[in-house]
Amino acid sequence: SQQGEEDPQALSIQEGENATMNCSYKTSINNLQWYRQNSGRGLVHLILIRSNEREKHSGRLRVTLDTSKKSSSLLITASRAADTASYFCATEQNFGNEKLTFGTGTRLTIIP
Amino acid sequence: DAMVIQNPRYQVTQFGKPVTLSCSQTLNHNVMYWYQQKSSQAPKLLFHYYDKDFNNEADTPDNFQSRRPNTSFCFLDIRSPGLGDAAMYLCATSWLAGETQYFGPGTRLLVL
Repeated sequence: SQQGEEDPQALSIQEGENATMNCSYKTSINNLQWYRQNSGRGLVHLILIRSNEREKHSGRLRVTLDTSKKSSSLLITASRAADTASYFCATEQNFGNEKLTFGTGTRLTIIP
Repeated sequence: DAMVIQNPRYQVTQFGKPVTLSCSQTLNHNVMYWYQQKSSQAPKLLFHYYDKDFNNEADTPDNFQSRRPNTSFCFLDIRSPGLGDAAMYLCATSWLAGETQYFGPGTRLLVL
């Protein structure tokens, strides 16, 4: 079964509003990463947060990690039309199997 | 600019006719990955190379093979494509396994 499950599956908000996506996972991890995918394109790395970190920022992005709850959230502030995309979390499990397991993704639509 | 390149971007093949997808990278990364992504689903790892060491996922069909002749290039061979193999195929690289991955734009495969 997939390591990550994302919530919600789809999210539509008005431009300028904040968007929050959540990711839950099942086993202990070394790191958790967030990626963006525009329709029909490859994935673009956004942020990597390690298991000993609780929060990271990058521009308008804020990621939190709660290892006790096995969950992470991605907050996009002041959303723009260009933020319309699918967002995936991916985890590296901590028994070093050299790979990422991707979650189911959240489809974000920003309404101009 | 350093990047991951996939060719072709679109590939049409006939049922049962072998096809090869290619990936090249200028990042000089040790690890190269092949993912299959079907519509509205998460990327699914098929296999990866750590340098020359090949790692196959347990549920990757035998129909899928891969070659990495050197650091820069990696190929995905589908020996007898079926209709169910129509998907986006994504190549990715990383310097270290489990760390940030850099994706190519993908090859969309259509099987007629």
